[in-house]
Amino acid sequence: DTEVTQTPKHLVMGMTNKKSLKCEQHMGHRAMYWYKQKAKKPPELMFVYSYEKLSINESVPSRFSPECPNSSLLNLHLHALQPEDSALYLCASSQDPRAAESYEQYFGPGTRLTVT
Amino acid sequence: QKEVEQNSGPLSVPEGAIASLNCTYSDRGSQSFFWYRQYSGKSPELIMSIYSNGDKEDGRFTAQLNKASQYVSLLIRDSQPSDSATYLCAVNSFDGNNRKLIWGLGRSLAVNP
Repeated sequence: DTEVTQTPKHLVMGMTNKKSLKCEQHMGHRAMYWYKQKAKKPPELMFVYSYEKLSINESVPSRFSPECPNSSLLNLHLHALQPEDSALYLCASSQDPRAAESYEQYFGPGTRLTVT
Repeated sequence: QKEVEQNSGPLSVPEGAIASLNCTYSDRGSQSFFWYRQYSGKSPELIMSIYSNGDKEDGRFTAQLNKASQYVSLLIRDSQPSDSATYLCAVNSFDGNNRKLIWGLGRSLAVNP
């Protein structure tokens, strides 16, 4: 089973709202990722959690705040977003972030975010 | 800056033909290479991983890796209309502290019935 789930599927929020995106995997993977993808572009890495610790923050604005409550769950808290933050937000997981041979990343279906 | 170059112009092939997708990468230390398929409005789906030089076959898909030339390719045999999607090449790169995937721009494939 290579399933990563994400909720919600769609989210519309105003610039003053606070919302959260959720991601879950039950594959025993020890790395989880948040990506942002704009139309006709490849995924853009935002954050990496390795063994539940934040290991990569790709200089993402502080209006995006990640959280990893346990090895299966990943959240992305959103606050005071801008219209240009509208995109598909993807969660992914991989087995062992330290080993190149175990670096296959499996993506969830994504959350389509629109900021108005 | 570590890069993955992928010809991003659209590719169109007739049904039943072989579709060939290629990319080159700059990091000689890269050890793992991936092809993802992404249908419009959906998330990327991992279709092939390759770690050593040579060919790896899975059904109608063959991935080819040449580390000396820093080149990885994907062949789709007997292309079907259902193969119409964007194909993304991704290369695992290590910067001394962290591993991450470096992505090509993706290439759109249209298989015409």
